[in-house]
Formats: sequence, structure tokens, C-alpha cells
Amino acid sequence: GQQVMQIPQYQHVQEGEDFTTYCNSSTTLSNIQWYKQRPGGHPVFLIQLVKSGEVKKQKRLTFQFGEAKKNSSLHITATQTTDVGTYFCADKLSGGYNKLIFGAGTRLAVHP
Amino acid sequence: EAQVTQNPRYLITVTGKKLTVTCSQNMNHEYMSWYRQDPGLGLRQIYYSMNVEVTDKGDVPEGYKVSRKEKRNFPLILESPSPNQTSLYFCASSPRGFLIATATNEKLFFGSGTQLSVL
Repeated sequence: GQQVMQIPQYQHVQEGEDFTTYCNSSTTLSNIQWYKQRPGGHPVFLIQLVKSGEVKKQKRLTFQFGEAKKNSSLHITATQTTDVGTYFCADKLSGGYNKLIFGAGTRLAVHP
Repeated sequence: EAQVTQNPRYLITVTGKKLTVTCSQNMNHEYMSWYRQDPGLGLRQIYYSMNVEVTDKGDVPEGYKVSRKEKRNFPLILESPSPNQTSLYFCASSPRGFLIATATNEKLFFGSGTQLSVL
């Protein structure tokens, strides 16, 4: 079935270093959404990518959708302690289903 | 304030004792859904609802029931909880759901979560 694979599962960085999480699929992705979950919190929507090759920025966060729509990435420049949390990608399930499929998430730890 | 409210925040129970986790949204959303979050597995959908009296199974529906008698409420019912249902549960809603692939304003709004422990 349709799966969304997210890597790495866990990453820790020094404050100021960059961070990237990747979302991959063997099938064509429909729309990719990215969510952030702070420790002890709930997932919060960050952004949606729809078009092949799309790039969107939110301050230090850069979101990309692959040209073939089989992968997506979230890149954080110069991480801060406020970036700590788990980042999830999610794709709309194809075939007429009314649901999102989530990746397993990447947990980011930032050491000051 | 627009929000999804779920209660309780924490719940400890014993095997076989029926429980209900409530979920309510004040945004007039049509779509509501329940997820469970387990380490290394991400968010897995339990059930979802597109409208009043319309519910459908997600990926892991076994052992759970839901109902949608009113648009704003979507309770999750565990008739006979078992230890493998120990998890972090999230209720979520969105305006119209995800049938339209290119809808740009469809996103999930999550509740604060319910940490359930079944002993």
C-alpha cells in the first residue's frame, strides 16, 4: 500500500547547525503537508506543497517538493533551541480516500 | 478561540473497563479524525468522519468505536481496553477533508492529546 517513509528517525545537532529531514515514497505523492510537534505538544500544520519542484520558505525553514513528486524535504538553517520537536510529513492518500498518510517523523534535538 | 478540545489529558485505566475520550471542535469543520501516536510509528489513523452519522475506518480501527451524532463532537470509545491500546491519542479536524487533491486550505487542526495507559 501507499507508504510515506521519513528519514532520519532522530537527529541531534549543535545550535547553529543546519538540519534536513526527508520524506520519500515509491509512488507519486499527491500533496505533501509538513507538521511540527513540540515535546509534550500536538502536531501543528506548517505548510503544504502541491506542485512538482515547488520550493517554499518560512524564515529559516525551506520546504521542497521533488520534480518527480516522489520526495520532499524540510531544511532548517542555523537551528535554534526553539526548533526542537518532531517533524512529520503527510500525504493525501490517492484512490479516492479521504485521509492523510503520515511519515514516522523525525525527532530533532538541538544542543545549546 | 478556534480549537479542538479533547478530554481527558491523561487517563489510566485497567483492562476491560470501558472508557470514552471526548473531542469537540468549534470551527464548524466537516471532517474529524482520531489518531494514535506510538514511538517509531508516527500517527496512525483510527477512524474518521466526513459528516454527521458518516464514519469510516482508518488504518487501525480494531478495538475502537466512534460516533458522530453532532457535527462538533466525535468521541472515541474503547469498549474493552487492552494494554496494547496504551498510546497517545489525538483528535483532529479539517474544514472539508482530503478528497480534493489540490485543495490548498485543507489541513488538520489537532487537539492537545490524551495519554492513555491501560494496565
